[in-house]
Amino acid sequence: GDSVTQMEGPVTLSEEAFLTINCTYTATGYPSLFWYVQYPGEGLQLLLKATKADDKGSNKGFEATYRKETTSFHLEKGSVQVSDSAVYFCALLLIAGGSEKLVFGKGTKLTVNP
Amino acid sequence: EPEVTQTPSHQVTQMGQEVILRCVPISNHLYFYWYRQILGQKVEFLVSFYNNEISEKSEIFDDQFSVERPDGSNFTLKIRSTKLEDSAMYFCASTRQGGEKLFFGSGTQLSVL
Repeated sequence: GDSVTQMEGPVTLSEEAFLTINCTYTATGYPSLFWYVQYPGEGLQLLLKATKADDKGSNKGFEATYRKETTSFHLEKGSVQVSDSAVYFCALLLIAGGSEKLVFGKGTKLTVNP
Repeated sequence: EPEVTQTPSHQVTQMGQEVILRCVPISNHLYFYWYRQILGQKVEFLVSFYNNEISEKSEIFDDQFSVERPDGSNFTLKIRSTKLEDSAMYFCASTRQGGEKLFFGSGTQLSVL
């Protein structure tokens, strides 16, 4: 079935370091892909999305490109900040039978130290 | 930005007891969802709800689970007889229409003892 695999955490970086969190998916067709973020004590928030192959989603300095050939949607940021410390979830949107649902990865906890 | 509100933030219950998790979706939203995350595992879809009925449910959502939108503002998840393995963080989500981003609540941490 459709699934998402993302790199295991936790990830610990120093401020201004480069971030990559890998995400690959298995799906029939070409689902929309998402990155959600959960800051401590808060709900999941949409960080960025891409709806078709080669689309690049971007927000708050984060980017991810929908790669059909490698079935990947890796999250990157050139220079992380302490405020980026959170759990990051990769997800795909599964649409079937008139309903839709998100299929999530396990989440990757990022800690950024000053 | 409008928020999805969930109460309580933490719920502790004894095995076999009934629990009701409450959610207030964003007021003009029409599609409602429950997801859960067992510690260390993936966020899993439980159920979607539209037009006062369940649109889809996962295999997790067995006869012990039910959802209700009793008064046009609340959206509840009931577990009739809790099991140890129901311990998880439960997230409510809503959206205005299909294909738009989901707005999630901050979750209810359910602990079944």
